[in-house]
This record gives sequence, structure tokens and C-alpha cells, in this order.
Amino acid sequence: EAGVAQSPRYKIIEKRQSVAFWCNPISGHATLYWYQQILGQGPKLLIQFQNNGVVDDSQLPKDRFSAERLKGVDSTLKIQPAKLEDSAVYLCASSDRVRPSGNTIYFGEGSWLTVV
Amino acid sequence: SQQGEEDPQALSIQEGENATMNCSYKTSINNLQWYRQNSGRGLVHLILIRSNEREKHSGRLRVTLDTSKKSSSLLITASRAADTASYFCATDGTGANNLFFGTGTRLTVIP
Repeated sequence: EAGVAQSPRYKIIEKRQSVAFWCNPISGHATLYWYQQILGQGPKLLIQFQNNGVVDDSQLPKDRFSAERLKGVDSTLKIQPAKLEDSAVYLCASSDRVRPSGNTIYFGEGSWLTVV
Repeated sequence: SQQGEEDPQALSIQEGENATMNCSYKTSINNLQWYRQNSGRGLVHLILIRSNEREKHSGRLRVTLDTSKKSSSLLITASRAADTASYFCATDGTGANNLFFGTGTRLTVIP
């Protein structure tokens, strides 16, 4: 079974530029998450989708971050304009249930962003 | 915040020794999970313990949960160099739709 796919793996941009990350979840997984992990910290949820609907985006900085999951499969996370503090790993994850209770979340390898 | 905190932040042991790391959290939970993250990689699920369980085993892993103290521990027995990674606890609070991750323990196993 293929895992969660993410691209690009690495990206370096200048501040105020824009960047987009793509994620393809495990086939059949209805729930998709985007997490931000700053170096030395644990992952922090940015947004959670159930199919193509948003379940939770309370931690998403909506003035610069946007995400969509058209057709309920692939997802794109965009940052525009980027700030230095956005340097982090952006982890996509998926699961086959809405609530994580008693359920495993499967993570991709992450997209590493450096803003200079 | 529901985020857990791991202790210690970093741990260095010799191969063959046991490694113990702890997690404390603040709110009531349904379950607690432990994940491993190798350097430069994504997180991998290790084990889940439900709030009505006190101890669980999986291979060389032993997890305990004390809901009265809002804490959990992960024990890795007979450690190997390949166990070198960061370990995170994650909780799903009652009513929560997602997992809240701790700050992680960075384990180094010296061959």
C-alpha cells in the first residue's frame, strides 16, 4: 500500500515569495491533515479536511496560509507571502476516520521549507 | 493547551540499555499514542493506549498510562542504534478532532 506522498521535499524561498506544497493521501483515506513542525518542536495542526470539507482550520494563519482539497483526494497548502518564521517542515497526514480516537494517523515524509 | 510535554528533552544511552521517556498532558483524553520520527523523516506510529488501559506492550516497547496523574511513559528495552530518533506522545482529548503532539524526546543510542 502506498503511503502519503508529498512534494516538493525541500524548498528554499525568499521572504515575501509564495510557495505551494502538494499532498496525496493514502488511497481511501477521507481525512487529511496538514501539520507544521518547527525545528525542535512537535507537529502543530494547521488544517484538517474530511473529504473536501474543512473540519478544523482554527490554527491556520489565514492571512497568509490557504489550503484546499478539491475532489476530496489531493490537497495543496499555499503560503503567500512567506515570512522567516514560516521556516518549518510541513507534514501531511491521513486517516480513514474523522476522529483520531483509537485511530492511527499516517504521515508523509514532509516538505522542508526554508525562508531566507 | 492540550499539548503534552515529554521528559527528558534529550536522552543518550549505550546500545543494550533501556530507555525511558515520559509524557505529561493537561486535559482528559480518550487515548494516548506514541510516534517516532527519524531525522529528516515523517512520523511513524508506534503504539496506542486507551484511557481505560494501564499498560501495553508491543515488541520491545512498553507503555504505561496513569490518567490520575495525566502521564504516560514509553520504555524501550534492549535499545539498538536504529532506535535513535525523536519520540513524541500525542493525545486526543475528549471532543477533539485531532491529535495534540508533545515537544518530543530526542533519543541517541550509542553503538
